Amino acid sequence: AQKITQTQPGMFVQEKEAVTLDCTYDTSDQSYGLFWYKQPSSGEMIFLIYQGSYDEQNATEGRYSLNFQKARKSANLVISASQLGDSAMYFCAMREGVGNNDMRFGAGTRLTVKP
Amino acid sequence: NAGVTQTPKFRILKIGQSMTLQCAQDMNHNYMYWYRQDPGMGLKLIYYSVGAGITDKGEVPNGYNVSRSTTEDFPLRLELAAPSQTSVYFCASIGGQELTLAGNTIYFGEGSWLTVV
Repeated sequence: AQKITQTQPGMFVQEKEAVTLDCTYDTSDQSYGLFWYKQPSSGEMIFLIYQGSYDEQNATEGRYSLNFQKARKSANLVISASQLGDSAMYFCAMREGVGNNDMRFGAGTRLTVKP
Repeated sequence: NAGVTQTPKFRILKIGQSMTLQCAQDMNHNYMYWYRQDPGMGLKLIYYSVGAGITDKGEVPNGYNVSRSTTEDFPLRLELAAPSQTSVYFCASIGGQELTLAGNTIYFGEGSWLTVV
């Protein structure tokens, strides 16, 4: 079964506007972590933001924030004030349980920022 | 800091050939991973290791083998290469003695582009 689902293969946003990238997950664990990574055309994976399942506040890192809705099992990434350099693939990922050793990734969303 | 280093960056293999993708990290990380990323797709876990001498299968292990004789190195071996193994391969590592959720960022190598023809 798919653990991480990203339903938007591609998204477009106008420069300086905000955009939300969707991510839903499936787990029966109470303890888990959710991550977002950016992959530009050069191919490297860049860590953006982390949300723990027990964190009460939504995570924020600069222009990135994570809209965590635990009951809905969603962890959407919000990018505010989009920049041309934000054009990239974005991956949502999850690690389940303390001591669990693997991390599962979604299929990704390709974001294109238009000038 | 070198971080996670993968070699080679690009390789073309003929069907049936074998090769090893090298991965080394200099951060003394216990946890290491191999992922593959097919065009336009997300990453799928091939194998992982929680320390020297210990390896385990991920989602898509068939056609691959790994070893972990040292903390630093985690090579991925392709035996009898097939066109279905054409992909980009990422090695990654996570630090910490105990893998808790908070603060354990995964560090990726730059990727190895493999084409099997």
